[in-house]
Amino acid sequence: KAGVTQTPRYLIKTRGQQVTLSCSPISGHRSVSWYQQTPGQGLQFLFEYFSETQRNKGNFPGRFSGRQFSNSRSEMNVSTLELGDSALYLCASSLTGGFSYNEQFFGPGTRLTVL
Amino acid sequence: GDSVTQMEGPVTLSEEAFLTINCTYTATGYPSLFWYVQYPGEGLQLLLKATKADDKGSNKGFEATYRKETTSFHLEKGSVQVSDSAVYFCALSPNTGTASKLTFGTGTRLQVTL
Repeated sequence: KAGVTQTPRYLIKTRGQQVTLSCSPISGHRSVSWYQQTPGQGLQFLFEYFSETQRNKGNFPGRFSGRQFSNSRSEMNVSTLELGDSALYLCASSLTGGFSYNEQFFGPGTRLTVL
Repeated sequence: GDSVTQMEGPVTLSEEAFLTINCTYTATGYPSLFWYVQYPGEGLQLLLKATKADDKGSNKGFEATYRKETTSFHLEKGSVQVSDSAVYFCALSPNTGTASKLTFGTGTRLQVTL
């Protein structure tokens, strides 16, 4: 079974631009979560999508948004990029997420550099 | 809110040495606890987990026991190898409401030398 895939793997943007990152979950998984990893803040939860609906949200500004499609693939968008948005963005999928433990499987991440 | 505290790194050990990485947590209720490992240039891999008090998670020679009384989940391995060099993250997930939201510790870098 194929793992979680993220595209692109590397991205370079300039301040003020916007960016879209993509995540394809493991087949059959319906929950997709996004995390930001930076040296200063560590790993922080961005949001979770399930059945095309945002179910949970972390403490990030509105410039960070996401969506999920009917095939469970998810995209996250960051508008008006700032230097501090440079990070590794990780996507994780699980069967259902939500109210009980479901193991999350992580993708390799997208490394975003903002110049 | 929920939080995870793990020991600062880096931890440098010689091959075959004993490893302990401390992890304590603060959470309401009874969370599930995890150790994830991140190798250079890669995403996170689940190393082991425990979903209730006194559970012992184990994998690849690593072990951790869910201690509710001390709110701890320390990672141990009896004999480390060079290939264990990586960053280790302790994490928790609430068992109600927002189980998909993992809260991570800051990570502990382990370097194993010959």
